[in-house]
Amino acid sequence: GAVVSQHPSWVICKSGTSVKIECRSLDFQATTMFWYRQFPKQSLMLMATSNEGSKATYEQGVEKDKFLINHASLTLSTLTVTSAHPEDSSFYICSARGGAGQNTGELFFGEGSRLTVL
Amino acid sequence: GEDVEQSLFLSVREGDSSVINCTYTDSSSTYLYWYKQEPGAGLQLLTYIFSNMDMKQDQRLTVLLNKKDKHLSLRIADTQTGDSAIYFCAERGNTGTASKLTFGTGTRLQVTL
Repeated sequence: GAVVSQHPSWVICKSGTSVKIECRSLDFQATTMFWYRQFPKQSLMLMATSNEGSKATYEQGVEKDKFLINHASLTLSTLTVTSAHPEDSSFYICSARGGAGQNTGELFFGEGSRLTVL
Repeated sequence: GEDVEQSLFLSVREGDSSVINCTYTDSSSTYLYWYKQEPGAGLQLLTYIFSNMDMKQDQRLTVLLNKKDKHLSLRIADTQTGDSAIYFCAERGNTGTASKLTFGTGTRLQVTL
């Protein structure tokens, strides 16, 4: 089946530093990747949609300069949280569409990355 | 915009059936999905249904779709403790392959002995 892997699973950083989260599709080419943020006991909030080789499309209210997304290849997208602050602490989940899921639209999710900013 | 709603919590006894309900507003939905999320993990696709179907069965899972009422349900037969998790329904609109999924609020299923 389609496998999406995120790294790191957990990251703790100091306020003001930047953190990069990677999302890889391991056995298929992901033409589109999505980044979500999930607060405790809440649903997933779509942050941005990235297509390989083009700029990401951000959802309303998401700061593009703070959450930098790069989708340089068909198997890798990165989310960089710049100048992180405690309010950026959250569970970030990526998902990818491609391969067998291209027609049905199903998304394959990574394991999620929990960011804690001190 | 599109809206997807679910009840927040459901508690069932082991061995009973669970029914998780979802309502949505997008009349152009093409596919509807059920995902399962265990604590601290990503989402796992359980099943999906195309909008021109009204029922899909996959082992212990039965999905019912009432397109007229925009109501989707997931029935889990013989619920086990391992089924305890958060279940999200999601819908995909009809805006091409780049169309995003809109997720419901999630239903936390608790299975008791």
